Amino acid sequence: QKEVEQDPGPLSVPEGAIVSLNCTYSNSAFQYFMWYRQYSRKGPELLMYTYSSGNKEDGRFTAQVDKSSKYISLFIRDSQPSDSATYLCAMSWSGGYQKVTFGTGTKLQVIP
Amino acid sequence: ETGVTQSPTHLIKTRGQQVTLRCSSQSGHNTVSWYQQALGQGPQFIFQYYREEENGRGNFPPRFSGLQFPNYSSELNVNALELDDSALYLCASSLASTGANYGYTFGSGTRLTVV
Repeated sequence: QKEVEQDPGPLSVPEGAIVSLNCTYSNSAFQYFMWYRQYSRKGPELLMYTYSSGNKEDGRFTAQVDKSSKYISLFIRDSQPSDSATYLCAMSWSGGYQKVTFGTGTKLQVIP
Repeated sequence: ETGVTQSPTHLIKTRGQQVTLRCSSQSGHNTVSWYQQALGQGPQFIFQYYREEENGRGNFPPRFSGLQFPNYSSELNVNALELDDSALYLCASSLASTGANYGYTFGSGTRLTVV
């Protein structure tokens, strides 16, 4: 079993839709949770990070963490064609060196 | 100069050869990590360097090695290349004080193809 599971998609939605992206994890030591966006032929770009459980909002993006269920989500409101990319969830813990464990990524396509 | 820059952008090597990939960290960042991203997969942690020493390593064999220089630039060396080493290699920089837990700055990567 992988430490972090993420549905690879692809996920196709019409412009303006609300998008929900999710990851589950098995390592209860994870305390930091991140979402990265990766466009084709580019490196990942940090969208949001959260610590422990709770919600965090930034513009059209909302990240949720439920540590009791080992489940994290990213919601994108009013999705735009420019949001078409692969979304990677990522997690880490506070001890030792800072290794970040990534999901496989979900490919999102927003259709105009 | 801002951002993380990697060179070269693309590389084709023959099985058994050696390769060196280079990275210039974001200004002010003193920690560099290298990741391997196979097609359709998430990035996998190779190792991290801080103060010119390796201070963490993922599940990669010793033929993967690295260097960090006083100006925080870095190299990833891979010896005895295998076909499975074909991947996008990503360099990520961060501050030791805040760490990767608050997010990396990634470069655009080097696409390595081993034939």
